[in-house]
Amino acid sequence: GAGVSQSPSNKVTEKGKDVELRCDPISGHTALYWYRQSLGQGLEFLIYFQGNSAPDKSGLPSDRFSAERTGGSVSTLTIQRTQQEDSAVYLCASSQMGGKETQYFGPGTRLLVL
Amino acid sequence: AQRVTQPEKLLSVFKGAPVELKCNYSYSGSPELFWYVQYSRQRLQLLLRHISRESIKGFTADLNKGETSFHLKKPFAQEEDSAMYYCALFPAGTGRRALTFGSGTRLQVQP
Repeated sequence: GAGVSQSPSNKVTEKGKDVELRCDPISGHTALYWYRQSLGQGLEFLIYFQGNSAPDKSGLPSDRFSAERTGGSVSTLTIQRTQQEDSAVYLCASSQMGGKETQYFGPGTRLLVL
Repeated sequence: AQRVTQPEKLLSVFKGAPVELKCNYSYSGSPELFWYVQYSRQRLQLLLRHISRESIKGFTADLNKGETSFHLKKPFAQEEDSAMYYCALFPAGTGRRALTFGSGTRLQVQP
């Protein structure tokens, strides 16, 4: 079946604009994760959704970042009033049950804030 | 809080040489450790997990609780092993349900 998909693959925006990044997880996977991959910084956890439970937002770097997951499937990560330091690759992953289960990653969205 | 450290940003070896990618962690409980790999122009994917005690593509990793390490090893590197490698920790026993990743090590295998 299809893997995790993300859109857009690339996004260039101006400082101060809002952006929305989309993630389609693997069908049937209850857990969904967002990470940020910056040069030299590795993968930084942002937010985690598990079924109908309240999301774990502990990794969101500021209140400009938010995410939602509708119908237990598609997720949108929104960054408001983008800053240049938000430039990074945003990765989405899903897993069947969450926790220590294998995470399947999408191709990422490369965000550049000018 | 848990932490994963990969001290080498870049590791360059020649084909056929042994490889060891270092990973150290800090966690007070009983962790589960993983190695993920990202080949050029491919997605990040699971390579192996310590609990399976498996060898994947010739790579092995042993969890050393005394040294809090989970180094990734391969006796004879191949050019196709060139990739970005991330060590990750799952903090079993806590309420946190996400992995903590290290900053990654780029492995370059030269011909």
